[in-house]
Amino acid sequence: TQLLEQSPQFLSIQEGENLTVYCNSSSVFSSLQWYRQEPGEGPVLLVTVVTGGEVKKLKRLTFQFGDARKDSSLHITAAQPGDTGLYLCARPGSNQTGANNLFFGTGTRLTVIP
Amino acid sequence: NAGVMQNPRHLVRRRGQEARLRCSPMKGHSHVYWYRQLPEEGLKFMVYLQKENIIDESGMPKERFSAEFPKEGPSILRIQQVVRGDSAAYFCASSPTGTGTEAFFGQGTRLTVV
Repeated sequence: TQLLEQSPQFLSIQEGENLTVYCNSSSVFSSLQWYRQEPGEGPVLLVTVVTGGEVKKLKRLTFQFGDARKDSSLHITAAQPGDTGLYLCARPGSNQTGANNLFFGTGTRLTVIP
Repeated sequence: NAGVMQNPRHLVRRRGQEARLRCSPMKGHSHVYWYRQLPEEGLKFMVYLQKENIIDESGMPKERFSAEFPKEGPSILRIQQVVRGDSAAYFCASSPTGTGTEAFFGQGTRLTVV
């Protein structure tokens, strides 16, 4: 299946708190991307992970790709109001369903309260 | 280095009219993807095009929707005889390759059918 499930669906936290959001599938990914989408804007690419077990850091954001390449997580340290947005994971399609498309997860809508 | 440009940003159409959405990819990108996003939902793939060719239209509704990417000019997503259910944000993304690994999105066109 191409389904990418993200959890939680909604998350509201206070400024300064830490959080982790997840992206899971029953299928193996060749790679995975994380995007952030702010209201009224298009998604913006944050990172691409390719290797099982890979960890990438982007300032206060830490992205991890599962060892089996079926899941990924995004951890935010000391969240800021500017982190508010919709976080989407995406993966390329498989050869059976279209290798050239990006399939998106259901998204996690994060609100950071000042 | 201009990003992906979409216009118009907002489009209002009466039921039965036609909607034309335009997308100019990033310079040097010859792969274009169209996605639709309903309120509070993730992005759903519609169609993937290269210059003058439709590569994958598996996400396009069978009727009323069409897309093109001519040799010269922007990619066009055309919706004929719009209905209220077509109201959504339509995003275009471009990529330098057709591997589906990364995509850069425009700001979207928000279509409202009244």
